[in-house]
Amino acid sequence: EAGVVQSPRYKIIEKKQPVAFWCNPISGHNTLYWYRQNLGQGPELLIRYENEEAVDDSQLPKDRFSAERLKGVDSTLKIQPAELGDSAVYLCASSARTSGVRGETQYFGPGTRLLVL
Amino acid sequence: GEDVEQSLFLSVREGDSSVINCTYTDSSSTYLYWYKQEPGAGLQLLTYIFSNMDMKQDQRLTVLLNKKDKHLSLRIADTQTGDSAIYFCADQYSSASKIIFGSGTRLSIRP
Repeated sequence: EAGVVQSPRYKIIEKKQPVAFWCNPISGHNTLYWYRQNLGQGPELLIRYENEEAVDDSQLPKDRFSAERLKGVDSTLKIQPAELGDSAVYLCASSARTSGVRGETQYFGPGTRLLVL
Repeated sequence: GEDVEQSLFLSVREGDSSVINCTYTDSSSTYLYWYKQEPGAGLQLLTYIFSNMDMKQDQRLTVLLNKKDKHLSLRIADTQTGDSAIYFCADQYSSASKIIFGSGTRLSIRP
């Protein structure tokens, strides 16, 4: 079974340019997460989807970041315009269960490493 | 707010046991996780423990949870060079699916 797929793996852009990241979750997983991982830090949640609904986007900087998951499967995260401080690894994860108190195993993709110059 | 803390580095000799420690602040944790991240890769779930358990063993991995002190540890027996990675502790608290990650402990193995 394929894991979480992300593309591109690496992206270098100049500041003020737009950039988009794509994620294909594990088949059948209803919940999809976008995280940002800064150098030397753990992942921080940006947004969580349950099917096509964004149920937690409280940490998403909405002035420049947007995300969509139109058909409840693939998702795209966009930054426009990018700033120097956006350089990080952007991780996508998925899990089978929707919200609840039971533990949900999140499966992570390899991430997209973004460098903003 | 909720916080998870870990020491940044750990160096052990090959064949010895590694113990990685983690503390968390949330009182309503449901599950606590250990993830492994190798260079250039995403996070791989190693193991997890439910908050009403004290210990969980899975082959070379032993997780100990002291809920009173909000302390979690991961013991890796017979540490091998392939265990070199960054290990993240993560806390899932009762409000739906939110998980808070620590900053990670970089484990290095000496010959």
